[in-house]
Amino acid sequence: DQQVKQNSPSLSVQEGRISILNCDYTNSMFDYFLWYKKYPAEGPTFLISISSIKDKNEDGRFTVFLNKSAKHLSLHIVPSQPGDSAVYFCAASDRDDKIIFGKGTRLHILP
Amino acid sequence: DVKVTQSSRYLVKRTGEKVFLECVQDMDHENMFWYRQDPGLGLRLIYFSYDVKMKEKGDIPEGYSVSREKKERFSLILESASTNQTSMYLCASSVTGFTDTQYFGPGTRLTVL
Repeated sequence: DQQVKQNSPSLSVQEGRISILNCDYTNSMFDYFLWYKKYPAEGPTFLISISSIKDKNEDGRFTVFLNKSAKHLSLHIVPSQPGDSAVYFCAASDRDDKIIFGKGTRLHILP
Repeated sequence: DVKVTQSSRYLVKRTGEKVFLECVQDMDHENMFWYRQDPGLGLRLIYFSYDVKMKEKGDIPEGYSVSREKKERFSLILESASTNQTSMYLCASSVTGFTDTQYFGPGTRLTVL
C-alpha cells in the first residue's frame, strides 16, 4: 500500500510559469515532509521541508503547502527555470520510525 | 560541503556473487541510509544505521545486509546477488533522524546478470 503518492509521473511547464507538484499521503502519523530534487546520474538533493505544525514554508522560488485535513502537500516553483527540470520526490516521516518516499514526478521546463 | 561518496558508479555482477557496496561520508553524521531506486517505484529504504555497529531494517531488507564498523562508512552487502537486485543504489547520511536533511551520494547502478 502506497503511503506517499505522487500521482503525476511527469509534468511539463513553460519557462517563467508556475510549476505545481502534488503529493498525497495516507498515514496520519506522518508529521514532517520533505521534497528532494534529482538530476540524472546524481543523488537526490534536499529542496525544502515542512513540519505538520505549519501550513506553508517558503524558500526563494520554492514554497511548500501542507493541507493536513486533506493529507495533501504541494510544491510550488515560481518562476520555473530550465534548471528546474528534474525528478522531484516527496517524502514523509513520522520522526521516529520511518521515512517514505513517493515515486517521483519528472518536471520538464519548456523554453 | 557534505560529501557522500560511493565506491562505484557502475557495477556488473553475476547471479550468486557476493556484492559489497561501500559508502563513505565526511561530515561525522550519526545516521546513514541505503536506498534503492527503481523506475515507477521511487526510493525505497533498505537499511539504516543511527550509530556505529547499529542497524535497523527499512522497508525492503530481504536479500541485503549491512555493516557499520566505523562512523563514516556504511556498507551494503548482497550475500547472493539475484537479477531482481538490479537497481540504482543510493547511500545517504544525516546529522540526526529522519526529519533531518539527508545528503545523498551519486549512486551505484548495479546490474546483476
